[in-house]
Amino acid sequence: AQKVTQTQTSISVVEKTTVTMDCVYETRDSSYFLFWYKQTASGEIVFLIRQDSYKKENATVGHYSLNFQKPKSSIGLIITATQIEDSAVYFCAMREGANYAQGLTFGLGTRVSVFP
Amino acid sequence: GGIITQTPKFLIGQEGQKLTLKCQQNFNHDTMYWYRQDSGKGLRLIYYSITENDLQKGDLSEGYDASREKKSSFSLTVTSAQKNEMAVFLCASSIQGVYEQYFGPGTRLTVL
Repeated sequence: AQKVTQTQTSISVVEKTTVTMDCVYETRDSSYFLFWYKQTASGEIVFLIRQDSYKKENATVGHYSLNFQKPKSSIGLIITATQIEDSAVYFCAMREGANYAQGLTFGLGTRVSVFP
Repeated sequence: GGIITQTPKFLIGQEGQKLTLKCQQNFNHDTMYWYRQDSGKGLRLIYYSITENDLQKGDLSEGYDASREKKSSFSLTVTSAQKNEMAVFLCASSIQGVYEQYFGPGTRLTVL
């Protein structure tokens, strides 16, 4: 069965610095997709970035990038030049490739607080 | 672009009551999902639907029914509300389930 683990419950950073958060996953599939979502204080859940297991290059979108270490089953999220608005809960999620329509398996989230 | 709307935003029910939550999307996405989020926790899948009239159970389907009568809408029914069910229910959709899912704003359920 697939499993996603985020060990950091909360992280505090100073604005304009870089924050890194960890996520490890378990799967028996050779093909899978990894996602990061952000949940704001209002409860809105926003898709940020995706990594396909067969791609060696780390995905990058804006000031979000991933550190994909396949041998370690690890997919870290890096946010550079943080802003106050980046304060949120960040969820790592996974979908195995065998069933393209199945839902995502989520981690418990990491709360990031960005201070001036 | 598109949007997912969920109604109602807040739902208060009595223990044992049957309650229905509704979700509409105008992305023209094929696949739709219902997740439950308990306070301070991650999301867990209740039901999903690949297309109109299709229903697939997730890990948390016991105590729930779902209905997908149109491509654009997906309803979730709590068959007998329990006090330990107080949570936020989130609807999502995606293109054939391959890519990322887009989420609605949620329905917060309170059971008295």
